[in-house]
Amino acid sequence: DAGVIQSPRHEVTEMGQEVTLRCKPISGHDYLFWYRQTMMRGLELLIYFNNNVPIDDSGMPEDRFSAKMPNASFSTLKIQPSEPRDSAVYFCASKGGLLDTGELFFGEGSRLTVL
Amino acid sequence: RKEVEQDPGPFNVPEGATVAFNCTYSNSASQSFFWYRQDCRKEPKLLMSVYSSGNEDGRFTAQLNRASQYISLLIRDSKLSDSATYLCVVKQPLVFGKGTRLSVIA
Repeated sequence: DAGVIQSPRHEVTEMGQEVTLRCKPISGHDYLFWYRQTMMRGLELLIYFNNNVPIDDSGMPEDRFSAKMPNASFSTLKIQPSEPRDSAVYFCASKGGLLDTGELFFGEGSRLTVL
Repeated sequence: RKEVEQDPGPFNVPEGATVAFNCTYSNSASQSFFWYRQDCRKEPKLLMSVYSSGNEDGRFTAQLNRASQYISLLIRDSKLSDSATYLCVVKQPLVFGKGTRLSVIA
């Protein structure tokens, strides 16, 4: 079975450019999460959706970040304009069942470098 | 106090050793506790949930101490393949620790 699929796996861009990260959750999972991981801050939850509806976006760092989930099988995280401090690994994860029980399934991550 | 704190390590231990990590949390209302494992440049994967009574899965034992607000992970008979970073989660999906790095040495 396919797991969580993220693209691109790697992206190098210049400051000021728009970055779009994509995620396809596991079919049937009704929760989708976007995380950012850096050495300094660890793994931080940016936003999560339940049944395509954003539930908690308090982790989104600022207005330059936006996330959408137009349908149950696709989500995007957009950074516009990008800055060097946005360099990180961005993980998408999905799960079924209750929010606080059971496993989160992570994608392989999108490694972003902003020059 | 940070919501969750872990000793970053690294813990360097020989094969066959027993090693234990702790993870302290500040919110006494936290209800769901987990340990995830993350290999270098890979995604986190669930290692085990942590139940109030403590639980064991092969060489791995997880315990919860609500009074002192920490969870622990004990690994017995360490294998080279146990080398990874271990992340504690005290309120899924919101709060992950930064992880403790373990290196098992031959």
